[in-house]
Amino acid sequence: QKEVEQDPGPLSVPEGAIVSLNCTYSNSAFQYFMWYRQYSRKGPELLMYTYSSGNKEDGRFTAQVDKSSKYISLFIRDSQPSDSATYLCAMTQTGANNLFFGTGTRLTVIP
Amino acid sequence: NAGVMQNPRHLVRRRGQEARLRCSPMKGHSHVYWYRQLPEEGLKFMVYLQKENIIDESGMPKERFSAEFPKEGPSILRIQQVVRGDSAAYFCASSPGTGGEKLFFGSGTQLSVL
Repeated sequence: QKEVEQDPGPLSVPEGAIVSLNCTYSNSAFQYFMWYRQYSRKGPELLMYTYSSGNKEDGRFTAQVDKSSKYISLFIRDSQPSDSATYLCAMTQTGANNLFFGTGTRLTVIP
Repeated sequence: NAGVMQNPRHLVRRRGQEARLRCSPMKGHSHVYWYRQLPEEGLKFMVYLQKENIIDESGMPKERFSAEFPKEGPSILRIQQVVRGDSAAYFCASSPGTGGEKLFFGSGTQLSVL
């Protein structure tokens, strides 16, 4: 079983739609949860960073963590064509040196 | 304000040759991480270094792969006697302190082994 599972998509939505991206994980010791955005031929860019359970909002982006279900989500409101990218979830535990990444979900926002 | 710089962007090697990938962290960052991204797979941790020290190499293959981060100059990921299975995107990331949560990634080096 993989540490982190993420639906690879691809996911296509019309401009202005609400996008929901999700990951599940198996290691209950994970405490830090991140979402990265990766454009084609570029490195991942940190979008959202959450510690433990709860919600975090930043502009059009909302990250949710449900540790009881080992499930994390990223919501994108009013999606824009510029949001078209691959979204990677990542997580780690306290004191660890490495992140565990999902495989990424490829999102296309159609104008 | 340069970010994490990696070079070359693309590297082509024949089987059996050596590959050297370079990474300069963001200014003020002294912690460097190397990750590998294989097609259809997520990023996989390889090694974590600080200046002149390898802190965690638990993700490094046991043979042919080595990494360094000298006192002066960039971090180097070295792959000896490359094989086709080494073809992947190699990403370097840096952070200002300990704890690998908030990483800043470079644009990667795409290694192709013929």
